[in-house]
Amino acid sequence: RKEVEQDPGPFNVPEGATVAFNCTYSNSASQSFFWYRQDCRKEPKLLMSVYSSGNEDGRFTAQLNRASQYISLLIRDSKLSDSATYLCVANYGQNFVFGPGTRLSVLP
Amino acid sequence: DVKVTQSSRYLVKRTGEKVFLECVQDMDHENMFWYRQDPGLGLRLIYFSYDVKMKEKGDIPEGYSVSREKKERFSLILESASTNQTSMYLCASRGGGLFEAFFGQGTRLTVV
Repeated sequence: RKEVEQDPGPFNVPEGATVAFNCTYSNSASQSFFWYRQDCRKEPKLLMSVYSSGNEDGRFTAQLNRASQYISLLIRDSKLSDSATYLCVANYGQNFVFGPGTRLSVLP
Repeated sequence: DVKVTQSSRYLVKRTGEKVFLECVQDMDHENMFWYRQDPGLGLRLIYFSYDVKMKEKGDIPEGYSVSREKKERFSLILESASTNQTSMYLCASRGGGLFEAFFGQGTRLTVV
């Protein structure tokens, strides 16, 4: 069964906080993983690709644990502009399976 | 930059109408996808295509069909629109291998 699950959220955090999102996937054959960001009423946009054990890009760090079939996204020093829904994605053959998303609100 | 363009941003149609949603990508991608997104349900795959004239059903194909006559264009067809097809429709394209997908801006369809 193909399934990607995420923290239900929403997460409401103050500016400057560190926040972590968790994601699990059920298909052990999945090889590629992504985090997308989606603003309200807009299309999802790629935030990070996670091909090996992890990836870091500025304030954002993604980690992959294949044994536990678990992916995480850490955001340090949260900004107001980080407020969005974060979607975890795992491939399933040629397709992508999206998690339901976790909404983040960064408060002033 | 990859560009995926959907023909309409907002669309209002009547129940029973035949509706065409068009999607064009400019990066010669093999794979194209149609999703719908509803509150609380996330993105659900309707149909996908991995080559011209090839199509595969996704998780919720009922009430929809697709057409891919040219590599750059993937059309979603609602044969007879119903109110439960009111949704945000998102087209995506992706190259071969394990690369990321790129999305169009979405079409918000309302069926009245």
